[in-house]
Amino acid sequence: QQPVQSPQAVILREGEDAVINCSSSKALYSVHWYRQKHGEAPVFLMILLKGGEQKGHEKISASFNEKKQQSSLYLTASQLSYSGTYFCGTEMENSGGSNYKLTFGKGTLLTVNP
Amino acid sequence: GAVVSQHPSWVICKSGTSVKIECRSLDFQATTMFWYRQFPKQSLMLMATSNEGSKATYEQGVEKDKFLINHASLTLSTLTVTSAHPEDSSFYICSVRGPYEQYFGPGTRLTVT
Repeated sequence: QQPVQSPQAVILREGEDAVINCSSSKALYSVHWYRQKHGEAPVFLMILLKGGEQKGHEKISASFNEKKQQSSLYLTASQLSYSGTYFCGTEMENSGGSNYKLTFGKGTLLTVNP
Repeated sequence: GAVVSQHPSWVICKSGTSVKIECRSLDFQATTMFWYRQFPKQSLMLMATSNEGSKATYEQGVEKDKFLINHASLTLSTLTVTSAHPEDSSFYICSVRGPYEQYFGPGTRLTVT
């Protein structure tokens, strides 16, 4: 089941903050965040695992509410290089081993202007 | 992270012909690779999971006879689009499953005329 991302698009000025949300109707094991620039491959930003473990880049932060099956990505003091489309990918709680896969949301287009 | 390459980076072919796309994991032994398709301004849609030495697992709605996947080694998976049609034109991206994240290749843009 495809996770729902919001907002669909956001425009910022350099230095401003943004929050991107991702929610699922199914119980999740992990949430992954990726950024994709036009015509390029997605780049890994962060993974949040059930139980509180997180791995990712220093300047990116995120949260994972296991009770609500929601995750939020926090972009602070945005830079021009933050522009791109942000995707969350969710791994269901009952997946694993040969059943492992990520289902990606529709994406959030972030534009950072000077 | 792992370095993943794809070849070719773009290809234009005529309707009815077949196209093979290669995905290589350059510095990571990949027992599992994934093939995604992405239409303009849309999300990454998983097509199939490619497992080294065994048959690929296709997502619902993906024709296994049209999109042939071979994962013969720990570093190479191939996707062959058979009898391509204009509606198959898309951005095809492979990824390698790491210990936590997926490492994506640069993608192959397929245009069928």
